[in-house]
Order: sequence, then C-alpha cells, then structure tokens
Amino acid sequence: AQSVAQPEDQVNVAEGNPLTVKCTYSVSGNPYLFWYVQYPNRGLQFLLKYITGDNLVKGSYGFEAEFNKSQTSFHLKKPSALVSDSALYFCAVRDGSASNTGKLIFGQGTTLQVKP
Amino acid sequence: DAEITQSPRHKITETGRQVTLACHQTWNHNNMFWYRQDLGHGLRLIHYSYGVQDTNKGEVSDGYSVSRSNTEDLPLTLESAASSQTSVYFCASSESREGEQYFGPGTRLTVT
Repeated sequence: AQSVAQPEDQVNVAEGNPLTVKCTYSVSGNPYLFWYVQYPNRGLQFLLKYITGDNLVKGSYGFEAEFNKSQTSFHLKKPSALVSDSALYFCAVRDGSASNTGKLIFGQGTTLQVKP
Repeated sequence: DAEITQSPRHKITETGRQVTLACHQTWNHNNMFWYRQDLGHGLRLIHYSYGVQDTNKGEVSDGYSVSRSNTEDLPLTLESAASSQTSVYFCASSESREGEQYFGPGTRLTVT
C-alpha cells in the first residue's frame, strides 16, 4: 500500500539558516512526489513536484527537493529560511504504476517555525 | 484569473441534517477531488471525479456522496451529518491525473 511519512511534527530554524523538512514514501511503482504548503486558514498551495528526470527539483519561493530513490526520500529544502516560510508543509505521493488514477496520499504534515 | 472556490466557508449544522458543500472551479479541469483535514490525519480523500457523470470513492467515503453534472462543479453531500464529520473540507482540481492539484480555501464544518 502507498504511504507517506513525515517523521517530524515540527521543525524549528532560525531565519537565514538552511531548512530541511523530511519525507519518506512507499509505493509499488514509480513515485510521483509533491510538496504543498498551507498557511493558517488557507488551502494548500503547490510548491513543487517530481515525476521523472533530475533528482533535484526546484519550486516556488526558493524551495527545492531532492529525490533519493535508494532511500525512498523526498526532503524539502531551502538554503536560507525566512520568517514568512513559517507554515504547515505536506508531502504527498501518487503511485505511478496505478492505472489512470490521480489519487494522492498525504503525509500528516510538518509545522515549520522560523524564528527571527 | 481562473480559480477554485468553496462555499460556505463556515457551517454549523445539527446531527442528522443533510448538508451540501459547494466546489466550483473555472480552470475547466476534468479531475476534481474532495478531502477532509483532521489533526493527526493530514488530508484524506473522500470522493473524486475524472469527468462529467464520473464519481469514485476515496478512502473515507462512508456518509458522503458527490455528483458531477458539469465540468465546473463537484458538490459534496453529507446525507445525515454526524459529529465525526466535524472537519475542514477541501476541494481540489487538476488538469491531468498525474499533475499537481490546486486547492480551494476550505470549508470548516461543525456538526453539533
């Protein structure tokens, strides 16, 4: 069965420092991987995705993520955190081998707190 | 600009009542989804649709139904609201089944 794990409920980082939000996944076929961000009382906003190609994916607001097939991970990173990056982050996976389905499985979310 | 909207944004209802949450998108996307978000569970898929007259059950579909009579709308109906259905509900759409989904602002539903 497909699953996504975000092992940290909360990540704290100082403004200007690099940040990493971790995500590991389990699918039977090739993974399609996504990161979303949710600000308070708002819907989820798409940040970036990996479907195929370069393992380092660049997305919105300076975020990037590295796909690691051997470790089944897709960690979200940013070289220099901003206070405005403080939000709830979700990793999601779609099984690329499932026929004609767009269903995503979401992790439980990681709260990122960036302190000035 | 194209967008996805949900209404109402907040709803309080009583146990046993029928409730319908609206979702409307102007991207002309064929694929639409309903999720619920609960603390500790992330987002869980309720129902989804790949086009007009197409509906499919997600992982937590019991007590919910959807209908797709046109491309733009996918209303979610709670046939007989239960306290366990108190949650925040999000609608999403996507251009392709493989691609990213775009989410509405959510509806906070409280069942008393």
